[in-house]
Amino acid sequence: DQQVKQNSPSLSVQEGRISILNCDYTNSMFDYFLWYKKYPAEGPTFLISISSIKDKNEDGRFTVFLNKSAKHLSLHIVPSQPGDSAVYFCAASTEPNAGGTSYGKLTFGQGTILTVHP
Amino acid sequence: DTGVSQDPRHKITKRGQNVTFRCDPISEHNRLYWYRQTLGQGPEFLTYFQNEAQLEKSRLLSDRFSAERPKGSFSTLEIQRTEQGDSAMYLCASSLGQLGPEAFFGQGTRLTVV
Repeated sequence: DQQVKQNSPSLSVQEGRISILNCDYTNSMFDYFLWYKKYPAEGPTFLISISSIKDKNEDGRFTVFLNKSAKHLSLHIVPSQPGDSAVYFCAASTEPNAGGTSYGKLTFGQGTILTVHP
Repeated sequence: DTGVSQDPRHKITKRGQNVTFRCDPISEHNRLYWYRQTLGQGPEFLTYFQNEAQLEKSRLLSDRFSAERPKGSFSTLEIQRTEQGDSAMYLCASSLGQLGPEAFFGQGTRLTVV
């Protein structure tokens, strides 16, 4: 049961152009979403996140868009750089448990390999 | 060092042997997570701790796996009687759970069972 899906295994983009990575989810209890970047032989690195009360969050060249009704989020990278070439994972989390204050585990998608050509 | 540290980085073991991995989280983080990642997949949740309490274990986690965080600081993950299917990257992450689910990962331990 894949609750977070990244349907594009790979994406190839020219340097300077926009990269758009997509993610879909099925669990309506998810209310916080994150993107991670991973280089080979390293752990994932946190990039950007968005709460379900927002539809957009921006950090430098990275913007995440959330469409709750469609259960869809996307990561835009503008402009793309060769150093952005990596595997990108989207992840989701549920709100704190009733009576609790802390967020729990992350559920990850399968990842999208982004290649940015010079 | 302000990052999450994992040891060892690589482990090759024979089937049937026991292995133990260590994770040192970011010092002020009260939450510590273990994930497993296999080729072509995203990280899969195994278990997590808040301080020294183990709050959740994946239902997919075999009884051969056990994790501890005895003083709420570092954690160990032990796999007993390893099988070839245990070969994977084992990732540790930590977070300040109260502020959001953003977790920061270590570089992982690559386990190969031969």
